[in-house]
Amino acid sequence: QQQVKQSPQSLIVQKGGISIINCAYENTAFDYFPWYQQFPGKGPALLIAIRPDVSEKKEGRFTISFNKSAKQFSLHIMDSQPGDSATYFCAAPGKYGNKLVFGAGTILRVKS
Amino acid sequence: DGGITQSPKYLFRKEGQNVTLSCEQNLNHDAMYWYRQDPGQGLRLIYYSQIVNDFQKGDIAEGYSVSREKKESFPLTVTSAQKNPTAFYLCASSIDPRTTYNEQFFGPGTRLTVL
Repeated sequence: QQQVKQSPQSLIVQKGGISIINCAYENTAFDYFPWYQQFPGKGPALLIAIRPDVSEKKEGRFTISFNKSAKQFSLHIMDSQPGDSATYFCAAPGKYGNKLVFGAGTILRVKS
Repeated sequence: DGGITQSPKYLFRKEGQNVTLSCEQNLNHDAMYWYRQDPGQGLRLIYYSQIVNDFQKGDIAEGYSVSREKKESFPLTVTSAQKNPTAFYLCASSIDPRTTYNEQFFGPGTRLTVL
């Protein structure tokens, strides 16, 4: 069964700083690794996702770095803003690729 | 506007009662999912359905039941057999269940509390 380990559990960053969240997965034959952002009392929403043909994907201030050999991927938030304060989840495909397995989540707080 | 709706937003249940959480989507998605969210444990899959009249157990299906009689609807029943049902429940859908290369869209969630 696929497991996804996410760290840290919580993170406090000063406004303008870089937030880094890491995830590690076990095994999958499928390469699709999304990150979701969730605000309190709301459902998660897709933030950014990476597919097998690249090792890094950047969208605005958000970047995913993917290391297939190490089975690790990370989310970098540049110039972190108070509005980025939320819970972030990484996910990886399950063994048969028909579902996602989520990490435990990271609570990010950006101090102004 | 297309999206996923869940109702009710808050639900209170007495011990021993069954309750049903509603999930409706108008995105014309084939796949639908139910997750349970507890603090520090991420999103855990309860049930998922890839097509009408078919569904599969997820990682924590015990004490829950679902039905998929219509493409747009995937209700979840929390039975009295679920020992610790107090949690935040999230419904999601995606376009093509044959691949995970599709974004899952989440509803706003239902917070269930057992009194």
